[in-house]
Amino acid sequence: GQSLEQPSEVTAVEGAIVQINCTYQTSGFYGLSWYQQHDGGAPTFLSYNALDGLEETGRFSSFLSRSDSYGYLLLQELQMKDSASYFCAVRDPHASGGSYIPTFGRGTSLIVHP
Amino acid sequence: EAQVTQNPRYLITVTGKKLTVTCSQNMNHEYMSWYRQDPGLGLRQIYYSMNVEVTDKGDVPEGYKVSRKEKRNFPLILESPSPNQTSLYFCASSVGGNSPLHFGNGTRLTVT
Repeated sequence: GQSLEQPSEVTAVEGAIVQINCTYQTSGFYGLSWYQQHDGGAPTFLSYNALDGLEETGRFSSFLSRSDSYGYLLLQELQMKDSASYFCAVRDPHASGGSYIPTFGRGTSLIVHP
Repeated sequence: EAQVTQNPRYLITVTGKKLTVTCSQNMNHEYMSWYRQDPGLGLRQIYYSMNVEVTDKGDVPEGYKVSRKEKRNFPLILESPSPNQTSLYFCASSVGGNSPLHFGNGTRLTVT
């Protein structure tokens, strides 16, 4: 089976930088995704890493180390609107759904204070 | 506009009364799936479909059924709902490969 571990809650102040970690255990691995979900809303895709290294998209960056089964989402210049839940998800060819339907972690609630 | 549409958004029902939550996508995606979201448990996959007439169980399929008679539609059926199926449900679709999941706006179901 698969398991993903991420912190349940992270707090930070506006303008700061925050890192949300994700460690995973899977039979196989195709890639690690990150999704954002605001209260009452649908999850929306943020980023995807298939290879080791850093992917940058504006204020958000995502990192992957396949040898460590570890990744993180880095949010810079935090804004109040970044308060949301963040989920890591893995694509595992041996999981239900194969490599096409990812398995999600339990999510990290990010609270941004003024 | 490309979207995944779920209906209804909110549903309150009683134990044992069959219900269907509809899901439709207009992006010609092959892959569709249903998730339920419960506090502290994240998103858990119920069923998924790789294409028309191809469906399979996810991690928590008990008490649910699905069908995929057309590419765009993937309804979730609860034949005899029970209170432990009270949850927030999301339908999602994808073209597959590295492409992201597109989620519907969710259906909040309460079974009393």
